Amino acid sequence: QVQLQESGPGLVKPSQTLSLTCTVSGGSLSGDDYYWSWIRQHPGRGLEWIGYIYYSGSISYNPSLKSRLTISVDTSTNQFSLKLSSVTAADTAVYYCVSGGYYFDDWGQGTLVTVSS
Amino acid sequence: EIVLTQSPGTLSLSPGERATLSCRASQRVDSNYLAWYQQKPGQAPSLLIYRASIRATGIPDRFSGSGSGTDFTLTISRLQPEDFAVYYCQQYSSLPRTFGQGTKVEI
Repeated sequence: QVQLQESGPGLVKPSQTLSLTCTVSGGSLSGDDYYWSWIRQHPGRGLEWIGYIYYSGSISYNPSLKSRLTISVDTSTNQFSLKLSSVTAADTAVYYCVSGGYYFDDWGQGTLVTVSS
Repeated sequence: EIVLTQSPGTLSLSPGERATLSCRASQRVDSNYLAWYQQKPGQAPSLLIYRASIRATGIPDRFSGSGSGTDFTLTISRLQPEDFAVYYCQQYSSLPRTFGQGTKVEI
């Protein structure tokens, strides 16, 4: 079991880029079969898978976000990151970083990102 | 994309009762690659079940999963006060990974 912690701005202006980092502790980000995902939850609503990255850099994105999305990994710092460009109010959500790319074992506590001017 | 539909939306039960939650997929979920999560207010979801019927580490045996193909069920045999929460199913048979809209189990 690993611990994950999201960090980044809680407020982003419309049209700007949302940037979040997830720090993994209690395990190596480059361990066997370790995929790392981002999932979001709009206020009062269900869960949406954003995408995942394998420690080697292999990536899969949700097609609904693909054109605006970049997920990257830094094994030297045991972190992975999310960048979502051209945000609108519809991107306001709690963002979770998660271990796993199939089912999702361990979750960060989540961070609320509000898109507002 | 596989669409997952959960029913009912809300389940009103009492402690000690049995809860039966349904998750139906718009197309076959290969290899029973379906998971269930529990989410309590203000908390992140937590993994209960994977591969349709395998309990995650530390999950009590009152939680059980079943089903195959397009129809899956999560059963809570005797509801405990801490089980009142929202439950989500999720498929990992194909990309993109998708979740159901959730079932709220309330007192």
